[in-house]
Amino acid sequence: LAKTTQPISMDSYEGQEVNITCSHNNIATNDYITWYQQFPSQGPRFIIQGYKTKVTNEVASLFIPADRKSSTLSLPRVSLSDTAVYYCLVGGLDTGRRALTFGSGTRLQVQP
Amino acid sequence: EAGVVQSPRYKIIEKKQPVAFWCNPISGHNTLYWYLQNLGQGPELLIRYENEEAVDDSQLPKDRFSAERLKGVDSTLKIQPAELGDSAVYLCASSRLGRVSNNEQFFGPGTRLTVL
Repeated sequence: LAKTTQPISMDSYEGQEVNITCSHNNIATNDYITWYQQFPSQGPRFIIQGYKTKVTNEVASLFIPADRKSSTLSLPRVSLSDTAVYYCLVGGLDTGRRALTFGSGTRLQVQP
Repeated sequence: EAGVVQSPRYKIIEKKQPVAFWCNPISGHNTLYWYLQNLGQGPELLIRYENEEAVDDSQLPKDRFSAERLKGVDSTLKIQPAELGDSAVYLCASSRLGRVSNNEQFFGPGTRLTVL
């Protein structure tokens, strides 16, 4: 099964761009990459999903290199409210459970 | 649209007592998930339903945990008897029927269980 590896924690300041990288060396051809955000005392919230190259929405961008062995979640100009845990998930058509494996995530702390 | 509703939000019980959690998914979402989340860890899948069928319950400790989703809408997760190690947050999520690989899940706020 493909396993994801993320930094345990990151620190940033308001207004900076934050990039969180997830390694998934064993990603399969049909796998998608999905990121969730979780605030304290809340359930996770979907941020963005991609398969290859770059995906952008109103919240974040997701960069996926050609080999797809890693992906980078980019949060532009973070604010204090972006302090949360961010999870990278990888899964495909035949790996239902793997696509639902959250891991320990990256704890982002944004300071003023 | 209304989000995923869970109740109760908090529950404190003594060990060996039974406990039940209830979840009402987003209207029209055929897939329902129950997760367990320990402090400092990510959610771990317990069971996944497609309509009323449990399609993945391999990580559900069936000696003490049970779940049901009658009529393919609301769901209940039960623990009997509860143990100290069951203290955690129990999350419910729902999504539209489809591939779990690229299906956005919507989570409820969770039920925080404390077993004394």
